[in-house]
Amino acid sequence: QVHLVQSGAEVMQPGSSVKVSCKASGGTFGSYTISWVRQTPGQGLEWLGRVTPSLGTTNYARNFQGRVTITADESTTTAYMDLSSLKSEDTAVYFCARANEGNGPFTYWGQGTLVTVSS
Amino acid sequence: SYVLTQPPSVAVAPGKTASITCGGHNIESKSVHWYQQKPGQAPVLVIYYDTYRPSGIPERFSGSNSGNAATLTISRVEAGDEADFYCQVWDSDADHPAIFGGGTRLTVL
Repeated sequence: QVHLVQSGAEVMQPGSSVKVSCKASGGTFGSYTISWVRQTPGQGLEWLGRVTPSLGTTNYARNFQGRVTITADESTTTAYMDLSSLKSEDTAVYFCARANEGNGPFTYWGQGTLVTVSS
Repeated sequence: SYVLTQPPSVAVAPGKTASITCGGHNIESKSVHWYQQKPGQAPVLVIYYDTYRPSGIPERFSGSNSGNAATLTISRVEAGDEADFYCQVWDSDADHPAIFGGGTRLTVL
């Protein structure tokens, strides 16, 4: 069984950066894609980008290009999402999610990490 | 960019059938995935590639996709089905490849 376990909640200052981790267990890490999806309070789901660990390739949503960096470490089966220049509007729950194939469904999800941006 | 439109809310009595739509231009040409999210939890995949159910999802959940609308249907609705439901597609538009609908709150009366 595949499990994605994310790092804990963060409180960040405006203008700073946050790095959230997502450790995978079960399955073959490098064969799939790991995406990051966020949910602002009371709102819907928004995709930020993804990484294919076996290839090291990334895709980002235009809204976040230049501000988000997604990486993966196959040796530790961990993916990371780094979001910079934080604003209060970035306060959200950030989820990692695994798709078994490039444009397939998000079959497995992490538990979510609350990032609060506040001075 | 491509837009998915869902009704904000759907209400249904226990034992009845709930239908949640996901509208998009020529959506039948895309594969639609559906997720259920209960408060404080991560989304759970309930239908993928329009009509397929992951293991562990009750047969009461089914999906269809035709024309400009995909539909998630929940038969014999139970109180435990109450949740937010999101549709999702992948789009070739490089600006935003993965797109979610705005979500539908299913209320069991």
